[in-house]
Amino acid sequence: RKEVEQDPGPFNVPEGATVAFNCTYSNSASQSFFWYRQDCRKEPKLLMSVYSSGNEDGRFTAQLNRASQYISLLIRDSKLSDSATYLCVVNQAGKSTFGDGTTLTVKP
Amino acid sequence: SAVISQKPSRDICQRGTSLTIQCQVDSQVTMMFWYRQQPGQSLTLIATANQGSEATYESGFVIDKFPISRPNLTFSTLTVSNMSPEDSSIYLCSALDRGLNTEAFFGQGTRLTVV
Repeated sequence: RKEVEQDPGPFNVPEGATVAFNCTYSNSASQSFFWYRQDCRKEPKLLMSVYSSGNEDGRFTAQLNRASQYISLLIRDSKLSDSATYLCVVNQAGKSTFGDGTTLTVKP
Repeated sequence: SAVISQKPSRDICQRGTSLTIQCQVDSQVTMMFWYRQQPGQSLTLIATANQGSEATYESGFVIDKFPISRPNLTFSTLTVSNMSPEDSSIYLCSALDRGLNTEAFFGQGTRLTVV
C-alpha cells in the first residue's frame, strides 16, 4: 500500500464546476500536510497548507481529518487555468511524501 | 520563500557517463533534498542532503549511484553515475527554509535523457 493515495482521476469538468479531490495517508506520525500544483513540464508549487481546522484561500478549500488520515481539496467555480496535476503531500521530520497526483482538466 | 536555481535544466547524455546537477539557494536553508520524477509518475525522494556530512539515502537509492554533496547551507549537487536509459527522468532539488513542518519549495528541475 502506498503511503499517500489519491483519487486516480483524471477529472474533466466544465468551467464553473466544483470539483473535490481526496487523499489518504498511512503514516499516523505525519506532521504537516499540503496540496501542491504541478503544471506540465514544471516543478511542483505549493497551492496551500492543510489544517484540521480547515483552510480556505479564495476558491480553494482544504481540510484535514487526522483521525481518518484523510485530506481533501475543494475547488469551486473552476477556471481553465486550474487545469493541472494536484499533488497531495505529507511531511514528517522535513521529508515529504507525494501522492501520485490527480489530473484536472477544465474545459470551456 | 527562498529561490532555488537548478542547472542544467536539461541534458542528453550517453549511457555509461555521469552528470552532476547543481542546486543553489539564494538564502541559507535548514534542509535540502533530491527527488526523482519518472515520466508520468509522482516524485520519489532520493536522499536528504546533509550539510557537511554524508547524505541520507532512501530505500532503493545508494551513494555509489547518486553521490550527493552539500558543502554549505545554500548549495548541493547530485551526480547520476554510470547512467543507463532507465535513469532518464526529471531530477528536482528541494529545500525547507522555515523549519521541518513547513512547506518545501523546488528548483525548476533537470530533465535528463540517457541514450
